[in-house]
Amino acid sequence: DQQVKQNSPSLSVQEGRISILNCDYTNSMFDYFLWYKKYPAEGPTFLISISSIKDKNEDGRFTVFLNKSAKHLSLHIVPSQPGDSAVYFCAASALGGTSYGKLTFGQGTILTVHP
Amino acid sequence: DVKVTQSSRYLVKRTGEKVFLECVQDMDHENMFWYRQDPGLGLRLIYFSYDVKMKEKGDIPEGYSVSREKKERFSLILESASTNQTSMYLCASSFHLGQGDWSSYNEQFFGPGTRLTVL
Repeated sequence: DQQVKQNSPSLSVQEGRISILNCDYTNSMFDYFLWYKKYPAEGPTFLISISSIKDKNEDGRFTVFLNKSAKHLSLHIVPSQPGDSAVYFCAASALGGTSYGKLTFGQGTILTVHP
Repeated sequence: DVKVTQSSRYLVKRTGEKVFLECVQDMDHENMFWYRQDPGLGLRLIYFSYDVKMKEKGDIPEGYSVSREKKERFSLILESASTNQTSMYLCASSFHLGQGDWSSYNEQFFGPGTRLTVL
């Protein structure tokens, strides 16, 4: 039962263009969402997050949008750079004292940015 | 900077062997996690621990056990390795609610991973 889904296994984009990575979730208890970036042979690193009380969060070239009614979030990277080529994981959390910060991850999307 | 280290980057073991994967974090985090990453399946939680000697099963605990004797160290044990346990294993740690703010509670810091091959 995949509660967080990234339906696009891969995405290819030209340098300078926008990259849009999508994520869907099914558990309505999720109220905090994160994006992680992973290079080969390295652990994932935190990129950006959003709380369910917001619908948008920006950090430099990265913006995350949340549509709660559709249970959908997306990560926009503008402009895309070759160094952004990596696997991107979407993750979700249900805040609460007993959750211990557990995250549920999607399958990942491989982003390739061509020069 | 938070540092999470894992004892080995690459490991090759034989079927039936007992395997220990060790993880150490230096940020005084209460929570520690073990995941495995497989193509097309993303990161799946095996076990986590929210305090010394405390542990909770994740989504795929079968065939694994864990040990947390000290706050900074969390070990994953494969009691009898099997070929379907060939995978990338990732350790992570995070603050417990009350140690930091709401956003830091959710942010997990990962080690570099151990690529385990079971022959």
